[in-house]
Amino acid sequence: SYELTQPPSVSVSPGQTASITCSGDKLGDKYACWYQQKPGQSPVVVIYQDNKRPSGIPERFSGSNSGNTATLTISGTQTMDEADYYCQAWDSSLVVFGGGTKLTVL
Amino acid sequence: QVQLQESGPGLVKPSETLSLTCTVSGGSIRSHYWSWIRQPPGKGLEWIGYIYYSGSTNYNPSLKSRVTISIDTSKNQFSLKLSSVTAADTAVYYCARLFGDPDWYFDLWGRGTLVTVSS
Repeated sequence: SYELTQPPSVSVSPGQTASITCSGDKLGDKYACWYQQKPGQSPVVVIYQDNKRPSGIPERFSGSNSGNTATLTISGTQTMDEADYYCQAWDSSLVVFGGGTKLTVL
Repeated sequence: QVQLQESGPGLVKPSETLSLTCTVSGGSIRSHYWSWIRQPPGKGLEWIGYIYYSGSTNYNPSLKSRVTISIDTSKNQFSLKLSSVTAADTAVYYCARLFGDPDWYFDLWGRGTLVTVSS
């Protein structure tokens, strides 16, 4: 079965750039999206179709996808961005989630 | 705006069947794909399956033998049944809408409902 691998945790200082990776076999040949989940809340999509932001998502969120790795980048990270982030892709009409990355802003 | 709300028992006994319903309000259940996703306490997201308003389905292979997702367009609801549950099925269960083309993603989520499997 297809697997997506994320680092369990990433730390960043406020105002700096955070990068969260998601790795999978030939992931660049698929579309990747990213969800943000804060404690006690439902996930919210922050990036879809590799690099598109839904309305209401700040411009500091961006995405890329090439080769075997998709990357979520948060520029000028704010304390409110501290959350769990999940990548997601499709494989043969099946939904696959990455294991999630806890972003700590300190 | 469209909203999703999960409902069902919060406690299920081992070996029994977990049953949940998602009610879609503020819009039609037609012309979209609808999905169930779960999250065990302190763990990541696990996709369970999705259904199209026509009734066609697709399930996570790891759960396929125990899962049934159905839809009732007259009630604007879709449902999840998970049979032979164990403690490992304890999780927050979310219903969500799939949106987009060509990249389908979950654009709307319910608030989730915690289901505990325990005797």
